[in-house]
Amino acid sequence: NAGVTQTPKFQVLKTGQSMTLQCAQDMNHNSMYWYRQDPGMGLRLIYYSASEGTTDKGEVPNGYNVSRLNKREFSLRLESAAPSQTSVYFCASSFDGRDTQYFGPGTRLTVL
Amino acid sequence: GDSVTQMEGPVTLSEEAFLTINCTYTATGYPSLFWYVQYPGEGLQLLLKATKADDKGSNKGFEATYRKETTSFHLEKGSVQVSDSAVYFCALHSNSGYALNFGKGTSLLVTP
Repeated sequence: NAGVTQTPKFQVLKTGQSMTLQCAQDMNHNSMYWYRQDPGMGLRLIYYSASEGTTDKGEVPNGYNVSRLNKREFSLRLESAAPSQTSVYFCASSFDGRDTQYFGPGTRLTVL
Repeated sequence: GDSVTQMEGPVTLSEEAFLTINCTYTATGYPSLFWYVQYPGEGLQLLLKATKADDKGSNKGFEATYRKETTSFHLEKGSVQVSDSAVYFCALHSNSGYALNFGKGTSLLVTP
């Protein structure tokens, strides 16, 4: 039981490049989330998926897109990376929207 | 809107000292409250939680009590160890949304 896994762990991009962050969970959870963590700001929600087939914007969605590929997988895409997107990205999942959220190990992204 | 305020760090303690990290919240209704811990280079781990007033969450010697009258959820540990050095996040989950609202985190360093 791996819990929530994320790939890659580290990534360096140049401004304007695109990439997709992958997240998978094996806990049979219905809800999945993407957060970003910036120094001194805690974590902020980018997008979430309440259940398979649905996605909704969080607090800071600009510059990102998401895909809920199936019940297990939820990806985050940066179409044209900007230095302001330099951050640590965490994926999380929960059984439903009211349940405890469990986090992956994070992806540290640097945009030059 | 909902928000969480926690004490600024860093907090530096000697091994076996008593720890308190203050956390207060603003929310409508009856949110669930959490403490997450982030060890260096790792993701967030759930430390403890409380889902209703007067509940006490506890884990690994840490405790926090949900105080609705003071809108607080302070984290305490009677005797800290070097291995407790980490960043601690207080978080709130309201009944009306999917996102966790995080405080900015408190860095704890325990010295031998």
